[in-house]
Amino acid sequence: NAGVMQNPRHLVRRRGQEARLRCSPMKGHSHVYWYRQLPEEGLKFMVYLQKENIIDESGMPKERFSAEFPKEGPSILRIQQVVRGDSAAYFCASSPRDPFLGSPLHFGNGTRLTVT
Amino acid sequence: AQTVTQSQPEMSVQEAETVTLSCTYDTSESDYYLFWYKQPPSRQMILVIRQEAYKQQNATENRFSVNFQKAAKSFSLKISDSQLGDAAMYFCAYLYNQGGKLIFGQGTELSVKP
Repeated sequence: NAGVMQNPRHLVRRRGQEARLRCSPMKGHSHVYWYRQLPEEGLKFMVYLQKENIIDESGMPKERFSAEFPKEGPSILRIQQVVRGDSAAYFCASSPRDPFLGSPLHFGNGTRLTVT
Repeated sequence: AQTVTQSQPEMSVQEAETVTLSCTYDTSESDYYLFWYKQPPSRQMILVIRQEAYKQQNATENRFSVNFQKAAKSFSLKISDSQLGDAAMYFCAYLYNQGGKLIFGQGTELSVKP
């Protein structure tokens, strides 16, 4: 059973471009979470999705950021008109059910976004 | 709001010795989970150990154990017989009782000296 797959591993974008980060959860996992890690900091929650639904987006910036988890295919974190402050490592995690019911989150290896 | 604090930005231990990493948290909830994650230079987030707040017994996983003091809101990680491969950034994390929202501390960078 493959782990959580994120791609690309590294992504370089110029200011004003769009960044698309992909996450394929583990097989059988319908809960997906995105976290952001700024340099020298811990991970910060961004958004929690289930298939075709956004459950909690309280950590998402109000503008330029969006996330989806379609019925088919990977979850996508989209950042429009990137700025230098968006440079960070973005992690995806998945679980088969609410982690509070006993299923720990499984993390991917992250995508490092660099905005030049 | 729940917060997690790791007051030791860096720690160092001699190979084969024991080291303890500190973590405190603040919450008004009575039921929650606490975790320690390890992040080596590869950037992968690896679950080290998990503690359920309603369990009084401290969790252990091989060389890793925790000292969970619920009243003091303290959750320290003890690594026994430290190995070179233990060198990494360690994050303490609190899990909300709804959904998968983890609150992470700032991290402690552990180095292991041969």
